Amino acid sequence: EVQLVESGGGLVQPGGSLRLSCVASGFNFRSYSMNWVRQAPGKGLEWVSHIYSDSTFTYYADSVKGRFTISRDNAKKSLYLQMNSLRAEDTALYYCARLAGSDPDNFDHWGQGTLVTVSS
Amino acid sequence: SYDLTQPASLSVSPGQTASIFCSGDRLGDKFVSWYQQKPGQSPVLVIYQDTKRPSGIPERFSGSRYGSTATLTVSETQAMDEADYYCQVWDSTSAVVFGGGTKLTVL
Repeated sequence: EVQLVESGGGLVQPGGSLRLSCVASGFNFRSYSMNWVRQAPGKGLEWVSHIYSDSTFTYYADSVKGRFTISRDNAKKSLYLQMNSLRAEDTALYYCARLAGSDPDNFDHWGQGTLVTVSS
Repeated sequence: SYDLTQPASLSVSPGQTASIFCSGDRLGDKFVSWYQQKPGQSPVLVIYQDTKRPSGIPERFSGSRYGSTATLTVSETQAMDEADYYCQVWDSTSAVVFGGGTKLTVL
């Protein structure tokens, strides 16, 4: 069974930093591209970042470019999101999502999310 | 930036057909995926590549696309189908775009 378990969320002051983690199990992690998607309270889904299976390419939403860094450790089956210079508008539930393997244009598995709250 | 437009809400009676639309420029150039999200739960993929249904998704969920509009159709709608539905594409800059979401209410 595919499982994605996020952690690392919490309360942080504006301008602060946080590192999110997502541990994968039940599939060959090193073969799949991974993404972070967030959802502000009561709002819709917003894509955050994408990383290739071998880390050769990364992409970011304009809203986080220059502040967030996505990375992965295939040996540890883990995905990360380093978030710096956090703003109130970054408050959201952050999901780790797997990009489908055979048809890499959709997210076929999602974690339960980790909540990030940016507030003084 | 690329935008996808969905109606904010839709109400249907049990047993009726719900059609949720998603529109965007040159949508015909892109594959559309649809996700269902129930309150307090993570999104679930219900349609990918416009019309394909993942294993485990009931046959009453179907997808179609005509021109710049994609449609998620839920036939014989049940109370359990009440959820938010999001369409999603990849734009030309390798960024992912979600529609604003449609809240489906089964009255």
